[in-house]
Amino acid sequence: DTGVSQDPRHKITKRGQNVTFRCDPISEHNRLYWYRQTLGQGPEFLTYFQNEAQLEKSRLLSDRFSAERPKGSFSTLEIQRTEQGDSAMYLCASRREGRNTEAFFGQGTRLTVV
Amino acid sequence: GDSVTQMEGPVTLSEEAFLTINCTYTATGYPSLFWYVQYPGEGLQLLLKATKADDKGSNKGFEATYRKETTSFHLEKGSVQVSDSAVYFCALRDDAGNNRKLIWGLGTSLAVNP
Repeated sequence: DTGVSQDPRHKITKRGQNVTFRCDPISEHNRLYWYRQTLGQGPEFLTYFQNEAQLEKSRLLSDRFSAERPKGSFSTLEIQRTEQGDSAMYLCASRREGRNTEAFFGQGTRLTVV
Repeated sequence: GDSVTQMEGPVTLSEEAFLTINCTYTATGYPSLFWYVQYPGEGLQLLLKATKADDKGSNKGFEATYRKETTSFHLEKGSVQVSDSAVYFCALRDDAGNNRKLIWGLGTSLAVNP
């Protein structure tokens, strides 16, 4: 299976700890997106990469959040000094260049901050 | 800004019943419209899409027509199955912009009983 993969699938952490998630997109996809989904809500856009360049960050992404895509392939999302409100499903998606190309989603990383 | 409104769930139907999940949108441009499905424990999967007015997207017996005059993209299926039980998300994408992020509805949970 060469779909979008995310690691880990689940993460439980204590408040105040740092966590890092990884996303491996489909190999030929140069666009990569991070979304956050809380219970009972639709996904919310966090940030977007075109190759290694981070082109847009949502206001939802506070200073505690940082995302990278150093070589234009995999991406990491780090949350520093986690808070209980950070508990959510973090979704990664990728797509090829092009106007009508489809975004493919990973299975997500579920973060629980206790 | 752009937004998506979809009917609240949960929706509970008997097998072989007719399904409609309403979705309306607000957009300044001419977005593409999508329905995604999230089966229990799985990631988001594209169900169908439509990229311009009057287009009909269809897949697995589901259909939705892009209605510009009513700004709607209602999801329908003539005869649901137990295996259709999932959460359904309506989304739009502004294809005029560069990032092409998805704007999501809150999701509608569907439970189909045998």
